[in-house]
Amino acid sequence: SAVISQKPSRDICQRGTSLTIQCQVDSQVTMMFWYRQQPGQSLTLIATANQGSEATYESGFVIDKFPISRPNLTFSTLTVSNMSPEDSSIYLCSGIVQGSYGYTFGSGTRLTVV
Amino acid sequence: SQQGEEDPQALSIQEGENATMNCSYKTSINNLQWYRQNSGRGLVHLILIRSNEREKHSGRLRVTLDTSKKSSSLLITASRAADTASYFCATDKDSGGSNYKLTFGKGTLLTVNP
Repeated sequence: SAVISQKPSRDICQRGTSLTIQCQVDSQVTMMFWYRQQPGQSLTLIATANQGSEATYESGFVIDKFPISRPNLTFSTLTVSNMSPEDSSIYLCSGIVQGSYGYTFGSGTRLTVV
Repeated sequence: SQQGEEDPQALSIQEGENATMNCSYKTSINNLQWYRQNSGRGLVHLILIRSNEREKHSGRLRVTLDTSKKSSSLLITASRAADTASYFCATDKDSGGSNYKLTFGKGTLLTVNP
């Protein structure tokens, strides 16, 4: 089965700064997604990362705050910009691997903004 | 709004007992999936059941789906302490075409006491 390497695994950041999270897949994925999971909550979809074009954002999420890149079929980044304490969450990437059932997830990035 | 709603929100059992978690959803779906998450880490795909299936087994896991009631259940038999985790159901809506976006329920926190 595919493996998605996500980093960093955790970070503590100052408010007003930005953090870029990376996900690298060891095989090609047809689609990649970014989720946010606030403390004790479920996962909320931020956006679908499209290869070579702008990501598709869900209601409540905007590109200026969460710019996403996906230059090829195996790599994507999510930046959390101008952070505030409300951005403290776990951020997860996921992908659909060709020929497999279910979605593969990265191990998550636990972000704390102080 | 959340597509899936799990109950109970938390479940505590003794090792060796069975654990049953339920999930309800609101719209027509293509499939329903169950995931496991350990301590805020990445999600692990457990099982997928398609909308035309009623029951599926995988090892100690048994999943049922009732599309008339828009509900699913996950049964873990002969539970072990290592099964302690949060369990989420996730659905992708049947929008008449390819829709790979998953909507997650709120999750059930299962604690298996040794």
